[in-house]
Amino acid sequence: AQSVTQLGSHVSVSEGALVLLRCNYSSSVPPYLFWYVQYPNQGLQLLLKYTTGATLVKGINGFEAEFKKSETSFHLTKPSAHMSDAAEYFCAVRHNQAGTALIFGKGTTLSVSS
Amino acid sequence: NAGVMQNPRHLVRRRGQEARLRCSPMKGHSHVYWYRQLPEEGLKFMVYLQKENIIDESGMPKERFSAEFPKEGPSILRIQQVVRGDSAAYFCASSPTADSGNTIYFGEGSWLTVV
Repeated sequence: AQSVTQLGSHVSVSEGALVLLRCNYSSSVPPYLFWYVQYPNQGLQLLLKYTTGATLVKGINGFEAEFKKSETSFHLTKPSAHMSDAAEYFCAVRHNQAGTALIFGKGTTLSVSS
Repeated sequence: NAGVMQNPRHLVRRRGQEARLRCSPMKGHSHVYWYRQLPEEGLKFMVYLQKENIIDESGMPKERFSAEFPKEGPSILRIQQVVRGDSAAYFCASSPTADSGNTIYFGEGSWLTVV
């Protein structure tokens, strides 16, 4: 069975500071990995995903994540936080076999202060 | 190019009533997923459907909950005899194929309140 652990349910940073949201996964086979963002009372929007190829993945809004198989991690980073980045972020894993569902972590709420 | 459409956005039901949540996937998408979101618990997978087929229902409660995705029309998540614990946001998502590398697109959610 696959699972995702997001370390830290709440992360607070100052505007302009580095954003680091941690995600570790458990999977018996190399999975596909995703980061989604959710703004209040809205659905989820894909930030980026890793399926195959380059392990450093760039996404929207300046975010990127690196797949590290040896550490079973897929941490999300952004060099400089903006106020508009305040939201809830979800890491998700999916088996690379067709016909499987996306399994989410519990989420990390990012707060950005001025 | 409409995204995943869910309705109603907000639904209030009394205990014991039935709740029906509808989801129209993105155009060209034949795979639908339902998730439930509770505060501090993230999104819990409920069911994965393809038209006229249930692919994976491992996350569905054994009783009172059912889902369908007919050949024509939207996918329906049905909750019978609702209880207070069913109050949550229910999200529908869709993808074009079963390929696990596909992006799964989410709707805006349906918020169910049981009073």
